[in-house]
Amino acid sequence: AQKITQTQPGMFVQEKEAVTLDCTYDTSDPSYGLFWYKQPSSGEMIFLIYQGSYDQQNATEGRYSLNFQKARKSANLVISASQLGDSAMYFCAMREAPMDSSYKLIFGSGTRLLVRP
Amino acid sequence: DVKVTQSSRYLVKRTGEKVFLECVQDMDHENMFWYRQDPGLGLRLIYFSYDVKMKEKGDIPEGYSVSREKKERFSLILESASTNQTSMYLCASRPRLARLTNTGELFFGEGSRLTVL
Repeated sequence: AQKITQTQPGMFVQEKEAVTLDCTYDTSDPSYGLFWYKQPSSGEMIFLIYQGSYDQQNATEGRYSLNFQKARKSANLVISASQLGDSAMYFCAMREAPMDSSYKLIFGSGTRLLVRP
Repeated sequence: DVKVTQSSRYLVKRTGEKVFLECVQDMDHENMFWYRQDPGLGLRLIYFSYDVKMKEKGDIPEGYSVSREKKERFSLILESASTNQTSMYLCASRPRLARLTNTGELFFGEGSRLTVL
């Protein structure tokens, strides 16, 4: 069964508008973490934002925020005021274990975002 | 800044050839990972290593092996390349004590795009 689901293969957004990229996850572990990475066309994976399962508040990093709905098992990425440089692949990932154990990250299939001028 | 370097950005090999993909990190990270990225499938874990000479199979180890003789270097080996191994390969690392980064994210190299003819 897929642990991380990104249902939007591709999305468009107008420059300066906000966009939400969806991510749902499946785990029975009470301690987990959720990550978003950006992959521009150059290929490198850029870490954007992190949400721990015990964090009370939604994570924010500049124009990025994570809409964490624990009961629904969703961790959507919100990008405010989109810029042309935001055009990239975006991956949602999950850590299924306490942070100090020997964990790995499980990734979703990704969403390609294109920002229109 | 953490630097994860993959030896080749682009490789073209023939079916049956032995292929080595090299990855070096300069931050004394204990844990290293090899992922494969394919369109629509996201990143899938091939192998990972928690320490020198240690290795664990990921989700898709068939057709691959790895070597970790030194802490900073993690090599992915395709013993006999096949066309279905044409893909983007991403190496990543992180410290064992993930709390050192506060988030526990993986640090990625720029990827190696392998084409097997």
